[in-house]
Amino acid sequence: DAMVIQNPRYQVTQFGKPVTLSCSQTLNHNVMYWYQQKSSQAPKLLFHYYDKDFNNEADTPDNFQSRRPNTSFCFLDIRSPGLGDAAMYLCATSRDPGKQTQYFGPGTRLLVL
Amino acid sequence: GENVEQHPSTLSVQEGDSAVIKCTYSDSASNYFPWYKQELGKGPQLIIDIRSNVGEKKDQRIAVTLNKTAKHFSLHITETQPEDSAVYFCAAPNRDDKIIFGKGTRLHILP
Repeated sequence: DAMVIQNPRYQVTQFGKPVTLSCSQTLNHNVMYWYQQKSSQAPKLLFHYYDKDFNNEADTPDNFQSRRPNTSFCFLDIRSPGLGDAAMYLCATSRDPGKQTQYFGPGTRLLVL
Repeated sequence: GENVEQHPSTLSVQEGDSAVIKCTYSDSASNYFPWYKQELGKGPQLIIDIRSNVGEKKDQRIAVTLNKTAKHFSLHITETQPEDSAVYFCAAPNRDDKIIFGKGTRLHILP
């Protein structure tokens, strides 16, 4: 029944060691989003894909990249994780961009040692 | 750009009582206002939303009211239950149609 799946649920990496988080969806939605959420804060949008079009937020660090090889999958790559990148990373989808319901996955909690 | 303010940051209510969370927004062109509930260890889930052509919407124990003139909207939960304990986020779109979240309200339902 899971509609937005994130793997792994917990990820531990070392300072500076590249890490990839994955997201898949069974909703066949056109838009996939990546959010960063730190403790007791609101989700912060990093970027989103509308089909194959990549839309980066102006304040997203270059250290964060994304790939969407097909409709179902989207990846978040952190090239050189720093201690400040430890957070919950949430993937979400919506049928179209804008004023639509976003469906969130359970998140991947990233720990940087 | 759109600015969404949410109050209170923490709210404790006795089980069975009502809870009200309030949000204000800055962009008068905003016309879609969702509320998300985030339980511990999970992603946010939409619980109710309202569009600007109506002033109130209800779904069982949950209701949302919208005052476009004052640019504020509120979430009302009646007959609160332990499973209502969570963090609640209001949101509104900016001019680029991106959803801007409020800072969240942690709701505690006391036994």
